[in-house]
Amino acid sequence: DTAVSQTPKYLVTQMGNDKSIKCEQNLGHDTMYWYKQDSKKFLKIMFSYNNKELIINETVPNRFSPKSPDKAHLNLHINSLELGDSAVYFCASSHDGQGDEQFFGPGTRLTVL
Amino acid sequence: RKEVEQDPGPFNVPEGATVAFNCTYSNSASQSFFWYRQDCRKEPKLLMSVYSSGNEDGRFTAQLNRASQYISLLIRDSKLSDSATYLCVVNRGSGYSTLTFGKGTMLLVSP
Repeated sequence: DTAVSQTPKYLVTQMGNDKSIKCEQNLGHDTMYWYKQDSKKFLKIMFSYNNKELIINETVPNRFSPKSPDKAHLNLHINSLELGDSAVYFCASSHDGQGDEQFFGPGTRLTVL
Repeated sequence: RKEVEQDPGPFNVPEGATVAFNCTYSNSASQSFFWYRQDCRKEPKLLMSVYSSGNEDGRFTAQLNRASQYISLLIRDSKLSDSATYLCVVNRGSGYSTLTFGKGTMLLVSP
C-alpha cells in the first residue's frame, strides 16, 4: 500500500536522449510536485500541480514537461537530456498545496552519460 | 539571505547526547514550518510540524520564534537510528505555496 510511488527507480541514459518518469499517489491528495535533488543534496521545487492544473513552475528549462492526466498521477518528460540533469528526482503530494505537509516518493536516480 | 538557512554540520555526537539544530528563514509571510528527516539515498520524511507554541514528540522538541524568524529542533537521548540529515522546511506564504527546504544538517550518532 505504497502512498507515493515512482518509476523507474534508476535511469541511466545518454546525453541527447528523451526520458520519462512516472509518479502516482493513492492518498487522495489534490496537489502533486516534482523536486530535483542535485549532488550537493539541495532539494529544489520544479513544478506543482493542483487537480491537474499547473500552479507552480520554478523557471525550469522547457526541456522539462510535466503532465498530469488526473490528480493521482504526475509524470515528468525530459527532452534532450544534458549532463547537468543528473540528479535524484522526487515526486511528492499534499492534501491541498497550501503549505501543508508533503509526502515523498522514493525518488528516481537519473544519470546522464 | 537564503530563504532557509541551517547549521552546516555534520554533527557528530555519542549515543545519549542532546543535540540542537538551528534554522532561520527569510520570508516573514511564511505560515507553515516543518522538520523533515532524510536518510542516505532515501526520500525526505516528515519528522514533525512546528507550531508557534512549541511542540514535543517523544525525544524531539521543536520551537518557533516568528519575531526572529528562527526554528529549532532538539533531540534528547540520541540513538544510533537518529543518524540522518535533518531538513528545516518553510512554506512561502499564503494560498498555493510550495515548501522551501533548507540544505539540511547531517547528524551522526556513534556508539
